[in-house]
Amino acid sequence: DTEVTQTPKHLVMGMTNKKSLKCEQHMGHRAMYWYKQKAKKPPELMFVYSYEKLSINESVPSRFSPECPNSSLLNLHLHALQPEDSALYLCASSQTLNTDSNQPQHFGDGTRLSIL
Amino acid sequence: KNEVEQSPQNLTAQEGEFITINCSYSVGISALHWLQQHPGGGIVSLFMLSSGKKKHGRLIATINIQEKHSSLHITASHPRDSAVYICAAYGQNFVFGPGTRLSVLP
Repeated sequence: DTEVTQTPKHLVMGMTNKKSLKCEQHMGHRAMYWYKQKAKKPPELMFVYSYEKLSINESVPSRFSPECPNSSLLNLHLHALQPEDSALYLCASSQTLNTDSNQPQHFGDGTRLSIL
Repeated sequence: KNEVEQSPQNLTAQEGEFITINCSYSVGISALHWLQQHPGGGIVSLFMLSSGKKKHGRLIATINIQEKHSSLHITASHPRDSAVYICAAYGQNFVFGPGTRLSVLP
């Protein structure tokens, strides 16, 4: 069982829908991450939050909107997505931001997103 | 920008074999993370190391900072070890290697 919980596990949405992905951890971690992973490729970093503030945005299109309402929760709001956005979206957390110290990241099981 | 490479890309082994997966990176880092991803998608952290060697059960990870190289070894491999193994380099940013797809046959 993972200590990082992601919901939903699967999501199918149309290009005009608005939906949100959720990630939760109760390990007291203060850094949280969103990754996108296409089939047979490694994860690509999208966003990093450190102490509930957006620390890194890897030039992600504005149709992806992250939100960190508190230290345990991380959301990814989706709007007007394209078919090429279909992928596995992974959330991770670490005690603090990895560039500050060598803290391993703990990953959730991911949300498999399909855009019709 | 750090380039992270892994070899081999794909590896098929018989149960019981000793397996080595290699990871090399181009610029200095503060730590290297070895991850395991099963077909369902979930990623498990195996090791995080910045020097020397770490061991956990049948898994051993080593890193040579001067040569910018790390290896993951699996002793007495088992079909349940079948997964994709990814190394990730932590420095100025996080860079993931392309992964090594391991299949262990019974």
